Amino acid sequence: EVQLVESGGDLVQPGGSLRLSCAASGVTFHNYAMLWVRQAPGKGLEWVSSINGGGDSTYYADSVKGRFTISRDNSKNTLYLQMNSLRAEDTAIYHCAKSDCGSIGCKLIAYWGRGTLVTVSS
Amino acid sequence: DIQMTQSPSTLSASVGDRVSITCRASQSIDNWLAWYQQKPGEAPKLLIQKASTLESGVPSRFSGSGSGTEFTLTISSLQPDDIATYHCQHYNNYPITFGQGTRLEIK
Repeated sequence: EVQLVESGGDLVQPGGSLRLSCAASGVTFHNYAMLWVRQAPGKGLEWVSSINGGGDSTYYADSVKGRFTISRDNSKNTLYLQMNSLRAEDTAIYHCAKSDCGSIGCKLIAYWGRGTLVTVSS
Repeated sequence: DIQMTQSPSTLSASVGDRVSITCRASQSIDNWLAWYQQKPGEAPKLLIQKASTLESGVPSRFSGSGSGTEFTLTISSLQPDDIATYHCQHYNNYPITFGQGTRLEIK
């Protein structure tokens, strides 16, 4: 059974930084593209970033480009999201998600984690 | 960017009712559309991909239809376990975008 468990969410001041992690199990991790999707309180889902299975190709939403960095360590079956220059509008539950194939063009989300809460407030 | 517009935002229906949720894309996405079910406090779950392909284990009362710009998720006979928020998502290209969600309630 696939399991995606996020961690690292916290209360952080505007302008601060945070690194989220997602530990994957029950899956051959390097075979799949991975994504981060967030959900602000009372709002819909918003795609944040994607990375291919090999970790050498990435995409970002315009709202986070230049501030967030997605990466992965396939030896540890772990996905990361480094978030810098955080803003109040970044407040959301951040879900780790697994695609259905390995290339950066794989954009269907086959499995989701429950998410970790990031709150940006002074 | 492709905008996804879901309606209604909230739907109240009785057990046994046939219910439908619509998702419209701002431009053609062929059949690159997925539907997800999200119960309170849980992770979203993939129900349907390629507009009409039911995922393994999803009850047959769920169905999807449409292509191009207009899509529909239908539950043929609403069950109490179907109470959730439903999200559509296009995966035609980047950026991936979602509809704003439809909260389904039991009357």
